[in-house]
Amino acid sequence: DAKTTQPNSMESNEEEPVHLPCNHSTISGTDYIHWYRQLPSQGPEYVIHGLTSNVNNRMASLAIAEDRKSSTLILHRATLRDAAVYYCILQNSGNTPLVFGKGTRLSVIA
Amino acid sequence: EPEVTQTPSHQVTQMGQEVILRCVPISNHLYFYWYRQILGQKVEFLVSFYNNEISEKSEIFDDQFSVERPDGSNFTLKIRSTKLEDSAMYFCASWDGQFRGTQYFGPGTRLLVL
Repeated sequence: DAKTTQPNSMESNEEEPVHLPCNHSTISGTDYIHWYRQLPSQGPEYVIHGLTSNVNNRMASLAIAEDRKSSTLILHRATLRDAAVYYCILQNSGNTPLVFGKGTRLSVIA
Repeated sequence: EPEVTQTPSHQVTQMGQEVILRCVPISNHLYFYWYRQILGQKVEFLVSFYNNEISEKSEIFDDQFSVERPDGSNFTLKIRSTKLEDSAMYFCASWDGQFRGTQYFGPGTRLLVL
């Protein structure tokens, strides 16, 4: 699976929007972009995924660049419960294992 | 909402002992996975299981490890002779085979080998 690059850490104020970037310049045409997060002392949790178009769900939005070489996870109003490590993962086939990087540690300040 | 469960939540064992970690995946899921996370490090893939056989395994998953689906609900990871370096958080995950690769993870078992 292609490699992703994320900032090590980011900080946000509570109730502010957060934009978490991910670079994946070697993405292939069939790679889906997945975002997972891991809250402290918990297992990873699915957040959102997309292929080419921007996606919205109840947790977040995913903005995918036109050339698909980068994407941004958007949390519209950060809460203290959103403090977690966020992972951007490329997956070529639905059954393949997820390859986790170090992710971005998001801190939310009250 | 359906969820993946894992038991025990914590396990302490002596080096050289066998441990079995248990998972109950979501009931209609078809693909099952084990991952581990050593403290402070990345989540690492161990093994995937489909149709009652291993479909993929990592270099970490050596002869000391085995997986089994003994009945219609449980999915187990056995470590035959534990080493100090097996101390980690072990996560089970499952996928229904339909909604594009979305894996659901359990809360994990923290294994400490002394």
